[in-house]
Order: sequence, then C-alpha cells, then structure tokens
Amino acid sequence: DVKVTQSSRYLVKRTGEKVFLECVQDMDHENMFWYRQDPGLGLRLIYFSYDVKMKEKGDIPEGYSVSREKKERFSLILESASTNQTSMYLCASRRGGDETQYFGPGTRLLVL
Amino acid sequence: QKEVEQNSGPLSVPEGAIASLNCTYSDRVSQSFFWYRQYSGKSPELIMSIYSNGDKEDGRFTAQLNKASQYVSLLIRDSQPSDSATYLCAALRRGATNKLIFGTGTLLAVQP
Repeated sequence: DVKVTQSSRYLVKRTGEKVFLECVQDMDHENMFWYRQDPGLGLRLIYFSYDVKMKEKGDIPEGYSVSREKKERFSLILESASTNQTSMYLCASRRGGDETQYFGPGTRLLVL
Repeated sequence: QKEVEQNSGPLSVPEGAIASLNCTYSDRVSQSFFWYRQYSGKSPELIMSIYSNGDKEDGRFTAQLNKASQYVSLLIRDSQPSDSATYLCAALRRGATNKLIFGTGTLLAVQP
C-alpha cells in the first residue's frame, strides 16, 4: 500500500512566521505535489517536483517555496505566513508513467 | 470558461437510486479524466479514470466520456449512504502531463 504522510494534521501559526510543511512517501515515486484546498475553489496546485532537487511552479506559487533534497520527502515552505494562506494543504505523490495520484491526509493550517 | 467545471450540489438521492454526477471541461485540458471521492475531513482517493469516448464500468460505478460535448459523468448505481461524499472531477492540463486540474467538486448526499 502506498503511504503518503504529512507531518501535522493541524497547525496554528502567527502572521509573519516561517512555516514548514513536510510530506513523505514510501513508494519511491518520482513525482510529488503540493495543493491547497479552499471552499468554492477546489484543489489548486502550488508546486510539484518530478525528481530530487527539481521543481516546477503550479498555478498559485506566490508566497510559497519548496524543497526536495531526498526522493521520498517534499517540503512546502511559507516564507512569511499570511492570513490568506489559511487553508487545507494536501501533498500527493505519483509514480512516473502511472495515472494514480496518492494523497496524504492533509494539514489544516490556520494563520492568525 | 473554467478548465474543469462541476455543479457544487448538494445532490440528494434516496438509497438504492442512481446518482449522476457531471463535469464539463474546456479545450485547455487533455483527454485524460479522473474521478476522485473525498469524504468529509479526509483526502481525495481515486475511483476511476477514463480516456476513451463511451462508458467504463467498475462495480457500481460507471464513468462516461463524451468528447463531442466535452463532458464527463460518473454514475453510481444502487447508491448507499456510505457513498455520501464530495466527488471531484479532474483532468490533465493539455501540454503539461504532470498538472492535474480539479473541479470544485459535487457534494452527494444519499438519504437512507
């Protein structure tokens, strides 16, 4: 069974803090993704990575950065958290050439 | 036009009935489509994928693709209360096979 884990289920941070969201997958997948999910807006792609140290911007990368130093781990960084980054953050992974994306349980982030 | 559009619902059906969920798409997505189910507070999980015109059946689920009219449907036969969830339609963005575009989802409520 593919397992995608995220470091926290719930997180509360202050405006201006630097926030790290961690995602780990255990199936040696090449591709990893970060989404945020908001009511009425659905799932939107922030960044994705197709290999170690490789990354590409998604549709809403502003205010975020990512890091992929090891194949199994993909980190999302909020350099200076703002209240409009309050959201559910979902990580996903997918094997190259495969169609199925596997999602982690999500991190609900509240920025005060 | 949005790349992938869904009616947000809720769609309410009685137990045992057929639930019909619809999704329309624009020319900016490719011909690969996916249906994800998301229970409240949980992460999305893939139910079905469809690439060719016509129907694809898997148990109680049937996905339908009509390329001429640019819509994708998911039919759930013999609906059960456990099918109550948000159903997300997704498609690969044309020219960017790593980018999955999601609709905002349709909430299905199956009444016992």
